[in-house]
Formats: sequence, structure tokens, C-alpha cells
Amino acid sequence: GAGVSQSPSNKVTEKGKDVELRCDPISGHTALYWYRQSLGQGLEFLIYFQGNSAPDKSGLPSDRFSAERTGGSVSTLTIQRTQQEDSAVYLCASSSPRGGLQETQYFGPGTRLLVL
Amino acid sequence: AQTVTQSQPEMSVQEAETVTLSCTYDTSESDYYLFWYKQPPSRQMILVIRQEAYKQQNATENRFSVNFQKAAKSFSLKISDSQLGDAAMYFCAYRDYNTDKLIFGTGTRLQVFP
Repeated sequence: GAGVSQSPSNKVTEKGKDVELRCDPISGHTALYWYRQSLGQGLEFLIYFQGNSAPDKSGLPSDRFSAERTGGSVSTLTIQRTQQEDSAVYLCASSSPRGGLQETQYFGPGTRLLVL
Repeated sequence: AQTVTQSQPEMSVQEAETVTLSCTYDTSESDYYLFWYKQPPSRQMILVIRQEAYKQQNATENRFSVNFQKAAKSFSLKISDSQLGDAAMYFCAYRDYNTDKLIFGTGTRLQVFP
């Protein structure tokens, strides 16, 4: 596709339920990132995938959060046993391999998660 | 650790006028990238302009230009001939060669009045 796509656009869930958020990066982009945007914390990095390398999980806030990337393309961010503080917009971005202008990260429209 | 500071939570400008959004950052690295992203109510983060730290020339994209002062660690965004469609949240972001993640400032909400 032309850009990064994310689904669902909005998700409402009950506290304690698990949720899965999906990201489709730009075709050919080997790097994929997840960020979280919340009122209290601003924009914060969660996890980063680059090709076949082990992901950088340094930004995941707890072990309830996990992400995988299948076939080097689509990624799923999973939040288990959701809490109200997980309510936020989850943004996905992708970029080309290292070098020059390819360093730019292009963002999807985000998934707004509301935990009741 | 690297940090990015946007000291203006809100700014406003009259249509067709010029406005400057401020951004400062802290890093011990010499090579890095700086970005300005725009986030309208639709939530989509849109790249406005980028600057490589090794380039002395300030980046320009149509009505958008930056004033990059490496020694002062300052990276301001100037929007000329402001348009109603420029109204959005603007985020300054930093990335260096050692990490692949973006570090964002807290954002500046820009209002444009007709």
C-alpha cells in the first residue's frame, strides 16, 4: 500500500481483557516501530523490529506487552490483562534500511485504545 | 540520555503570517537526525521536515524551514504564510546513529486564525 496502515482504528475493551493491534508497514520497509501516545506520558517508544534481528524491546512498559512481526512484514502488538492506564493511541511507523533519506520513519494513523 | 524540549505548549498565528516553533535537545552525540512532525486531529503523524546534524545548511520544504543551531542544540521550525490547514500539534523529534528510536518533545499546539 501507499502508507502504513493500522487496525482497528479504535478499540474499546474491558479491564482485564487481552487486545491485539495490527500494523501493516510500507511495502519494502524492513524496520518497524511501535510508539504509544498518552496524555500523561507523551509519545514514547515501545519496540523496534529491524529485518531478522532480535527486536529492541527496551520501551515495553511491562511484561503484559508483547509484539511480533511475521514474515518481516505485518506486526501485532498484544496487551494482556489490559489496565486503564493502557488507554492511549498506539502508533506504528516503518522505515527503509539504514542510509540517508531512508532514515525517516513514516507513521500510520494509530489505534486509539480505551480500557474501561 | 537524550532529551527533547518544546517549551511552547500552545502557539497561535494569523493566517498568512509567520510563526516560529521552538525546540531544544540534549545529546552528547555529534551525528544525529532531527525531525518536525505534524499531527492533525486525524492522528496521523506527518513528516514536515528533517535535518541531518552534519549538514550546516538549514533544511527547507516550501513554506517550512528550520533554524538549526548545533552548538546551541536548538532546532526551531518556521512556518511562513501560515494557512488554516497548518493548525495541528507539532512534534520535534531526535534520532542518533546508535539507536533507531525517535525521542519526541511534548509537542506544540498551533492554532491558525483567519
